Amino acid sequence: ETGVTQTPRHLVMGMTNKKSLKCEQHLGHNAMYWYKQSAKKPLELMFVYSLEERVENNSVPSRFSPECPNSSHLFLHLHTLQPEDSALYLCASSPFGLAGDNEQFFGPGTRLTVL
Amino acid sequence: AQTVTQSQPEMSVQEAETVTLSCTYDTSESDYYLFWYKQPPSRQMILVIRQEAYKQQNATENRFSVNFQKAAKSFSLKISDSQLGDAAMYFCAFNNDMRFGAGTRLTVKP
Repeated sequence: ETGVTQTPRHLVMGMTNKKSLKCEQHLGHNAMYWYKQSAKKPLELMFVYSLEERVENNSVPSRFSPECPNSSHLFLHLHTLQPEDSALYLCASSPFGLAGDNEQFFGPGTRLTVL
Repeated sequence: AQTVTQSQPEMSVQEAETVTLSCTYDTSESDYYLFWYKQPPSRQMILVIRQEAYKQQNATENRFSVNFQKAAKSFSLKISDSQLGDAAMYFCAFNNDMRFGAGTRLTVKP
């Protein structure tokens, strides 16, 4: 369970705050992902980075801003969030990007609460 | 848009019995992978089993097996000899755009 790590594990923030979520993978994978997991909704893919190039889901609001400085690290910068953004944010990695046998290796998630 | 549907929000099974979780999907593609993931309470999501669409033989991993019906676009998961540790949320996923179903919560009764 230490292949993909996420910090912080829990985060409470106000709507005017700016915070960042961090993800690190120690598996030598080329692709990294951000997912949003809300109660009673399917897991939603937010962003994909493959070889540090972003494949973006256009439906993600601009208050979420990803950053992938290298193939091992992924950030999700948050600003002016809304209460409905409260959720579990999961990071994952895979050997390659979308398509093919892209088994996802998940981190433990960051439980985000927006007040 | 491709969709993945899990029609059973909750399932329950007696320890040592067999349970089947259903999943259907919609796609116009012919080459793809399907996955079942397990998310135990407060623990990380892990892969249970995968199936490549071009392989006719159903995948098997120990007590876990799938019934893959490509024409019907159905991909069910069978858990044999259920154990208490199998209690978790189970998610079906389609690989080409990593679309997940809503999940099935499996309870195992001792």
